[in-house]
Amino acid sequence: GAVVSQHPSWVICKSGTSVKIECRSLDFQATTMFWYRQFPKQSLMLMATSNEGSKATYEQGVEKDKFLINHASLTLSTLTVTSAHPEDSSFYICSALILAGGVSTDTQYFGPGTRLTVL
Amino acid sequence: GESVGLHLPTLSVQEGDNSIINCAYSNSASDYFIWYKQESGKGPQFIIDIRSNMDKRQGQRVTVLLNKTVKHLSLQIAATQPGDSAVYFCAETRGAGSYQLTFGKGTKLSVIP
Repeated sequence: GAVVSQHPSWVICKSGTSVKIECRSLDFQATTMFWYRQFPKQSLMLMATSNEGSKATYEQGVEKDKFLINHASLTLSTLTVTSAHPEDSSFYICSALILAGGVSTDTQYFGPGTRLTVL
Repeated sequence: GESVGLHLPTLSVQEGDNSIINCAYSNSASDYFIWYKQESGKGPQFIIDIRSNMDKRQGQRVTVLLNKTVKHLSLQIAATQPGDSAVYFCAETRGAGSYQLTFGKGTKLSVIP
């Protein structure tokens, strides 16, 4: 259980175009999902917290008008990179939060990532 | 963007030996810590977690130790196997009740057959 998928797994686009990345929780519902960016040989950096039915919360330094997040259902969050430029090339990873309740811990399960290359 | 010349700390161990990966954290308000394994080109995979009211937790072949006094976390892997080769990240919550995670820099584990 607790499988998170992302689509596409990789995408190459021209500078100035927009790219949409989907994150789905396949066998559970997730009120909260997260979007991360990871540059080569670096750690994951949280970009934003996506909450179903409400506006996403962006981390400091992340442009909300450039990285549009929509969490329209309990199993799907999308990240759209608008007017992409080469510096946006990165590995984008989403995660979905499972709230365990009780004495169990709340856990994030990660998707496989999407490699974006902007030419 | 990409940082040319940036290298992850690397740990090389012989197959069958035990591995110890260390992590220092900075937020004394963190109450939950997780270790993730990331293979090349894939998303992080949950390994083991520990709450701040514990100092040790064991799983299958893995043990996490937490020293809150010096803000140090370690992951011990027993009888390391080639399939354990990956980058390992520690992560901490931002504070009590927070779901946002801050990831450490990562350590690359290479297992020598």
